[in-house]
Amino acid sequence: AQTVTQSQPEMSVQEAETVTLSCTYDTSENNYYLFWYKQPPSRQMILVIRQEAYKQQNATENRFSVNFQKAAKSFSLKISDSQLGDTAMYFCAFMKHAGANAGGTSYGKLTFGQGTILTVHP
Amino acid sequence: GAVVSQHPSRVICKSGTSVKIECRSLDFQATTMFWYRQFPKKSLMLMATSNEGSKATYEQGVEKDKFLINHASLTLSTLTVTSAHPEDSSFYICSAQSSPGTTEAFFGQGTRLTVV
Repeated sequence: AQTVTQSQPEMSVQEAETVTLSCTYDTSENNYYLFWYKQPPSRQMILVIRQEAYKQQNATENRFSVNFQKAAKSFSLKISDSQLGDTAMYFCAFMKHAGANAGGTSYGKLTFGQGTILTVHP
Repeated sequence: GAVVSQHPSRVICKSGTSVKIECRSLDFQATTMFWYRQFPKKSLMLMATSNEGSKATYEQGVEKDKFLINHASLTLSTLTVTSAHPEDSSFYICSAQSSPGTTEAFFGQGTRLTVV
């Protein structure tokens, strides 16, 4: 079984500053995907960024980037130039790679961390 | 991107009654959907995997008879909370992949269930 741990229940940052959210995970799988999801007050889950474990290059999406350390099983999210709209709860999540079981019933399951509440202050 | 619609967004029911929550994929077919439960300011916990045309797969500790899941078509999965009690009050979220092998999960808006 996989576990995902977010050790920062709450974080705060000033607008325009940079903040890093931590995530560690544990798995015996070699191929997998890691995600960061954002859940604003509306409660709608929004995909922020995705990392494929077999890719060494860290994923980036505009102001969002990750630091993926496979050996250390660490997957942190860096938000640059923080904006008020970034205020939300952020979840780190793990998904097994499909492999030969792409159509299998277990594929697509996400294991989430506990979440980090991020507040961006003006 | 693909859209998943969940209905209702909020529901209040009396203790002992049943309530049905619908999860629809609006512009794609989903052979598999997932149901999660989330307590306030907590993580999403997977309850079950809903498979079109077959029985749902429940996670350990989830009562099958209390949380009935039906996936009768490629665009609709339903979660029925039977004989609801106040401790069933929670936020329920569904998700689906647009096709097998893809990694992006599309989430419904969630349903806030309050049992009084």
